[in-house]
Amino acid sequence: SQQGEEDPQALSIQEGENATMNCSYKTSINNLQWYRQNSGRGLVHLILIRSNEREKHSGRLRVTLDTSKKSSSLLITASRAADTASYFCATDASGTASKLTFGTGTRLQVTL
Amino acid sequence: KAGVTQTPRYLIKTRGQQVTLSCSPISGHRSVSWYQQTPGQGLQFLFEYFSETQRNKGNFPGRFSGRQFSNSRSEMNVSTLELGDSALYLCASSPEGVYGYTFGSGTRLTVV
Repeated sequence: SQQGEEDPQALSIQEGENATMNCSYKTSINNLQWYRQNSGRGLVHLILIRSNEREKHSGRLRVTLDTSKKSSSLLITASRAADTASYFCATDASGTASKLTFGTGTRLQVTL
Repeated sequence: KAGVTQTPRYLIKTRGQQVTLSCSPISGHRSVSWYQQTPGQGLQFLFEYFSETQRNKGNFPGRFSGRQFSNSRSEMNVSTLELGDSALYLCASSPEGVYGYTFGSGTRLTVV
């Protein structure tokens, strides 16, 4: 069963706006990663944040992690139509870095 | 460099048959993981192979099996197919099975 729950399930915004999606998980983790998936194809790794980090940036992406609340958020600034995709958080527990547990995903639609 | 290659891209099988899916990881990557993605259960971890040994296993029945060859290429096999096995099967590789997994485009299996 999935560990992570993401909300919203779907998000529709206009180009240029910011998109925020949230992920909650249930057990202690080593790291949390975010992936993007375009239309039923493979996953693309976006960013990894370690359990001892609180915030991380990569280009237009900003990820926060609150281990006390077991939650993370992904912010995409100045969204583009090409950002249209499903976004998943994935966690790994101590000692099982290769066994990722994925969230339910947020479907982002960016319109012109 | 070449990415993770999965073959075939699409497959239609009849209930009760068996199927073998193939994954060629990025050159130099020794860890290969397999995931099943369905609308109902989302992304679920199947197993991980590292240097020809199964290192982690998810909660799937014994009908799902895999192996890894000395060149790191991996195959997964599903025997006695059921309708519920219809899914997108994703393979991911990483240098040491730690972080930074690269996913293939997947094999979409339809069981009729």
